[in-house]
Amino acid sequence: EPEVTQTPSHQVTQMGQEVILRCVPISNHLYFYWYRQILGQKVEFLVSFYNNEISEKSEIFDDQFSVERPDGSNFTLKIRSTKLEDSAMYFCASSEALGAQGNTIYFGEGSWLTVV
Amino acid sequence: DQQVKQNSPSLSVQEGRISILNCDYTNSMFDYFLWYKKYPAEGPTFLISISSIKDKNEDGRFTVFLNKSAKHLSLHIVPSQPGDSAVYFCAAPASGSARQLTFGSGTQLTVLP
Repeated sequence: EPEVTQTPSHQVTQMGQEVILRCVPISNHLYFYWYRQILGQKVEFLVSFYNNEISEKSEIFDDQFSVERPDGSNFTLKIRSTKLEDSAMYFCASSEALGAQGNTIYFGEGSWLTVV
Repeated sequence: DQQVKQNSPSLSVQEGRISILNCDYTNSMFDYFLWYKKYPAEGPTFLISISSIKDKNEDGRFTVFLNKSAKHLSLHIVPSQPGDSAVYFCAAPASGSARQLTFGSGTQLTVLP
């Protein structure tokens, strides 16, 4: 079964450092997403990406965050200057384009980011 | 603004019995709902969905019921198995967005052998 894959599974970084989280969405999907879950809290939407540009973003997704699709398969989330409160599990996800089935969003296993 | 609410943080059931997980929503514009299962340190796994034009959708041991007038949906798992022990999230596309999911806070299901 096709799946969304993410690397790294766990990263520890010092406050103020830049972090790049990588994702390979499901190959025939056209919409890509990043969500995060801070320990003990809800899964929260960060950003969606379609046709090589951001289509929606939440208030969490401020100027320190950016996303990129550098090639035909990878989708990355960059956090420019990490803060302690960025510690969370970051989930990449993807979905098809059209129809009710297209609304089903498939998640990767997550990248656990710890900022120290 | 909690548009999707799961009021029960945890539920324990015996193996073989029915598990019923509940979810309420406040936005009557929601027209599609999804249930995800999540194991510790893993991503949410899509389980089952339902469109607002239906009141029931069944897939094997999993059935989702939608009561639009009550703005309530429920996930039934029967028979429950120990491997079903996980956190279950209901989710709906956010207001004004077909793609951004709003998640409930989750219900930890424990199926006792």
